[in-house]
Amino acid sequence: SAVISQKPSRDICQRGTSLTIQCQVDSQVTMMFWYRQQPGQSLTLIATANQGSEATYESGFVIDKFPISRPNLTFSTLTVSNMSPEDSSIYLCSVDQGVDYEQYFGPGTRLTVT
Amino acid sequence: GQNIDQPTEMTATEGAIVQINCTYQTSGFNGLFWYQQHAGEAPTFLSYNVLDGLEEKGRFSSFLSRSKGYSYLLLKELQMKDSASYLCAVRDTWDTDKLIFGTGTRLQVFP
Repeated sequence: SAVISQKPSRDICQRGTSLTIQCQVDSQVTMMFWYRQQPGQSLTLIATANQGSEATYESGFVIDKFPISRPNLTFSTLTVSNMSPEDSSIYLCSVDQGVDYEQYFGPGTRLTVT
Repeated sequence: GQNIDQPTEMTATEGAIVQINCTYQTSGFNGLFWYQQHAGEAPTFLSYNVLDGLEEKGRFSSFLSRSKGYSYLLLKELQMKDSASYLCAVRDTWDTDKLIFGTGTRLQVFP
């Protein structure tokens, strides 16, 4: 399975600022996915990022709030813009690279907005 | 709409068997996945079902009935380390390979 790393692992940010989260994969993948997991909740898909095209956002998520870059087949970034305390969450990236295209997840970025 | 339901919490005793159910109603279906997530960690892949029936992997088995929109994860010979959240996820056929996750079931195993 792919080895996925994320930076930062955690951060505490002020309201109104922005944070960019990096996701690095040790092999080339077509699609990368960004999820949010709020405290005690399950995973919610934010967007799907394909290399060379605009990310596809899920209902309730917009590009102005969560801009995504996908400059190559091993890297993606998610920016959480103009943060509010409601953005406090764990953000995870994943790739589907298994035999059955199961998704493998990065370790996550724990974000706290004060 | 997309709807995937699981019980919120379950408890069981070490050495016992537990079954975690998942019911789904989605616009498309291209497979169902089970993930395990320990507190503070990322989800890890457990099993995959795309055809009806039972898939067995050691102490863990997963069952799927597509006509009923139903799956379960069966954990045998429970160990304390099995205390975790278990997430059911459906892959949507009509879109990218995105996963729609269920509400998750928190399992506590007691000695």
